[in-house]
Amino acid sequence: QKEVEQNSGPLSVPEGAIASLNCTYSDRGSQSFFWYRQYSGKSPELIMSIYSNGDKEDGRFTAQLNKASQYVSLLIRDSQPSDSATYLCAVRRGTYKYIFGTGTRLKVLA
Amino acid sequence: EPEVTQTPSHQVTQMGQEVILRCVPISNHLYFYWYRQILGQKVEFLVSFYNNEISEKSEIFDDQFSVERPDGSNFTLKIRSTKLEDSAMYFCASSEGERGGQTQYFGPGTRLLVL
Repeated sequence: QKEVEQNSGPLSVPEGAIASLNCTYSDRGSQSFFWYRQYSGKSPELIMSIYSNGDKEDGRFTAQLNKASQYVSLLIRDSQPSDSATYLCAVRRGTYKYIFGTGTRLKVLA
Repeated sequence: EPEVTQTPSHQVTQMGQEVILRCVPISNHLYFYWYRQILGQKVEFLVSFYNNEISEKSEIFDDQFSVERPDGSNFTLKIRSTKLEDSAMYFCASSEGERGGQTQYFGPGTRLLVL
């Protein structure tokens, strides 16, 4: 079982729609979770972090965490073509080791 | 806005040579990291560094690799005797630490090509 799993996609959504990205993790002791966006050839850019069960909203983005199900998701409302990128889920394991998923490629169609 | 910087942006080397990749973390950050991303693959953790010593390292980070903070600002990754499979993008990241947060901020990366 992979430590952090994501559907590789591509996930295609029309402009203005909600994009839903999902991530599961294997280490039940994980405490910190992050969503990054990565454009082709660029470095990961932080979108959100979440540490507690429930929802966390920041502008058009909402992160959801369910530790019992070992599941974290990212919702992007009013998707724009500029949101087209690969979205990386990252989980902190241990003291300072971060494990990334393979990423989900999102395409927002104009 | 403070940012992590990395040099060089691109590095081409011959197999067997040594390379040093350089990073300047955000100035008030205490934790430093190196990651590798082979083309088309996921971001892989290599090593974390705090208080002038390695905090954690992955299975990838073997004797071929070493890290150093030679002065108050730079953080380097040395790769000895490079192999073809070391060709990848190498990212440096830094974070404030527990009090200031665990969020890592990434530099723009160094693209390493081993011929």
